[in-house]
Amino acid sequence: AAGVIQSPRHLIKEKRETATLKCYPIPRHDTVYWYQQGPGQDPQFLISFYEKMQSDKGSIPDRFSAQQFSDYHSELNMSSLELGDSALYFCASSSQGPGGPQHFGDGTRLSIL
Amino acid sequence: GQSLEQPSEVTAVEGAIVQINCTYQTSGFYGLSWYQQHDGGAPTFLSYNALDGLEETGRFSSFLSRSDSYGYLLLQELQMKDSASYFCAVNTGGFKTIFGAGTRLFVKA
Repeated sequence: AAGVIQSPRHLIKEKRETATLKCYPIPRHDTVYWYQQGPGQDPQFLISFYEKMQSDKGSIPDRFSAQQFSDYHSELNMSSLELGDSALYFCASSSQGPGGPQHFGDGTRLSIL
Repeated sequence: GQSLEQPSEVTAVEGAIVQINCTYQTSGFYGLSWYQQHDGGAPTFLSYNALDGLEETGRFSSFLSRSDSYGYLLLQELQMKDSASYFCAVNTGGFKTIFGAGTRLFVKA
């Protein structure tokens, strides 16, 4: 079965650079979520999209933005990167409304030097 | 504020039963989910409770009491491969989801 695809798997950037993470949800899933997970921490909700419209925002810094495109793939754009942005970034998708099972991608490991 | 409390660590032996509790205090509540995450891996959905009661899926069961703001995940017939972190998560409204800090389960032979 198709899963959530994230790219790249690993990304190394320097401070003040920009980064773009991509997510391809499971086909026919109408909701996309973005999470940030630091080492030994829980996933922190950043933002979600329902039917290509932004639905909810969490602890997403103003330096970050996200969008969902007509083909349902989503991108997380990160600017003015800081050392503290080093983390695993997960995308998840779902099709059963709020609270339904979220299917996570393998994540993008972002390292800021 | 919003908080989900769960034990940081639990240890059990193979074949045993373990219960991981989760209490929550959130501004909204639309359901409690449980996820498993192995080191370096992605969270994997285990179960979801929107209403009070017990949900059973194979070796895993989950319980919710909305009046007590409490739920638990029950793992039966523990196997070594169950060693992982387990997160409870609350949907607080819309699609916003808050995760607990996670419970690290160690299964011993």
